[in-house]
Amino acid sequence: AQSVTQLGSHVSVSEGALVLLRCNYSSSVPPYLFWYVQYPNQGLQLLLKYTSAATLVKGINGFEAEFKKSETSFHLTKPSAHMSDAAEYFCAVSDQPGTYKYIFGTGTRLKVLA
Amino acid sequence: GAGVSQSPSNKVTEKGKDVELRCDPISGHTALYWYRQRLGQGLEFLIYFQGNSAPDKSGLPSDRFSAERTGESVSTLTIQRTQQEDSAVYLCASSLIASGGTDTQYFGPGTRLTVL
Repeated sequence: AQSVTQLGSHVSVSEGALVLLRCNYSSSVPPYLFWYVQYPNQGLQLLLKYTSAATLVKGINGFEAEFKKSETSFHLTKPSAHMSDAAEYFCAVSDQPGTYKYIFGTGTRLKVLA
Repeated sequence: GAGVSQSPSNKVTEKGKDVELRCDPISGHTALYWYRQRLGQGLEFLIYFQGNSAPDKSGLPSDRFSAERTGESVSTLTIQRTQQEDSAVYLCASSLIASGGTDTQYFGPGTRLTVL
């Protein structure tokens, strides 16, 4: 069965520092992978998605993620953190063509320190 | 344009009462999804509607949970005889179509349900 693991429920970085949020998936077939962000009191917003095209995916707000099949990973990065990046981030996987069911990770809350 | 809206934003109820949660999808979106987000956990799929097809109810945790959607419009999620373990944020999402797992789901802000 497919699953998603997000390492670190809370991550703190200094403003201007590299952001790295980890996501590992388990899937028997090539997956579709997603990163969503949830700002306080708001719904989830899609940051980026991988759909078997380029392995390096660029998203909104300067975020990007790289699909690494050998490591079954899809880590989210941003070169320089901004205060406005403070939010909760969710990784999700869908590995069945034609399915609409995403499996979500438990989320990582990012804190940006001034 | 308008996004997915949900009401109420917060609901506090007593154990054993019924509650009804509402979702207004983005206009024109044929697919609608309900998820549950318990504290400290990821999103849990509950139910899916696609146009006039029979809904996929495989994620509903018990027969106390039900949902309806008329055509491609509003959906309501009903929880009967609420229990404390039903306390969670209930999220609704919609997408233009559901195709191969690549279609983007747009989420509403959620309804926070607290069962006392």
